[in-house]
Amino acid sequence: QKEVEQNSGPLSVPEGAIASLNCTYSDRGSQSFFWYRQYSGKSPELIMSIYSNGDKEDGRFTAQLNKASQYVSLLIRDSQPSDSATYLCAVNRGGYNKLIFGAGTRLAVHP
Amino acid sequence: EAGVAQSPRYKIIEKRQSVAFWCNPISGHATLYWYQQILGQGPKLLIQFQNNGVVDDSQLPKDRFSAERLKGVDSTLKIQPAKLEDSAVYLCASSPRTSGDQETQYFGPGTRLLVL
Repeated sequence: QKEVEQNSGPLSVPEGAIASLNCTYSDRGSQSFFWYRQYSGKSPELIMSIYSNGDKEDGRFTAQLNKASQYVSLLIRDSQPSDSATYLCAVNRGGYNKLIFGAGTRLAVHP
Repeated sequence: EAGVAQSPRYKIIEKRQSVAFWCNPISGHATLYWYQQILGQGPKLLIQFQNNGVVDDSQLPKDRFSAERLKGVDSTLKIQPAKLEDSAVYLCASSPRTSGDQETQYFGPGTRLLVL
């Protein structure tokens, strides 16, 4: 079992729709969770971080965390073609800020 | 504020050759990370420095990879000898501190390595 699992996609959504990206993790001791966006040929950039159970909203992005289910998700409202990228889920198990990344979900937003 | 700098951006070598990558973190950042990202996979941590000390190198193939962080600022990652499976993007990242688990890591542009 991988430590951080994501559906590789591609997830295809029409422009203006809600994109839902999911991630599960295996270590119950994980403390903090991050979503990074990576455009093709570019480096990852932080989109959202979440540390407590529940929802966290930032503009069109909402991160959701359920530690009991070991599940974290990212919702993108009003999806735009510019959101087309790979979204990486990363989990910090605490201590020395070591991130474990999933393989990423490729999102394609079509006009 | 300048971001994380890396060089070279691209490198093509033949197997069994050696190669070195350079990283300059964001000014004042204590922690520096080297990741390997193989096509289609997420980044995998190779080594983590706090200032000039190694915090975690558990996934660094020490028979061929080495890294150092000079004076707690710049860092170099070396591969000697390279294998075909080392073809990947090598990402450097930095964060302000090591303690705590809510530190954002800022990534550099990466070095794309192709081993022929």
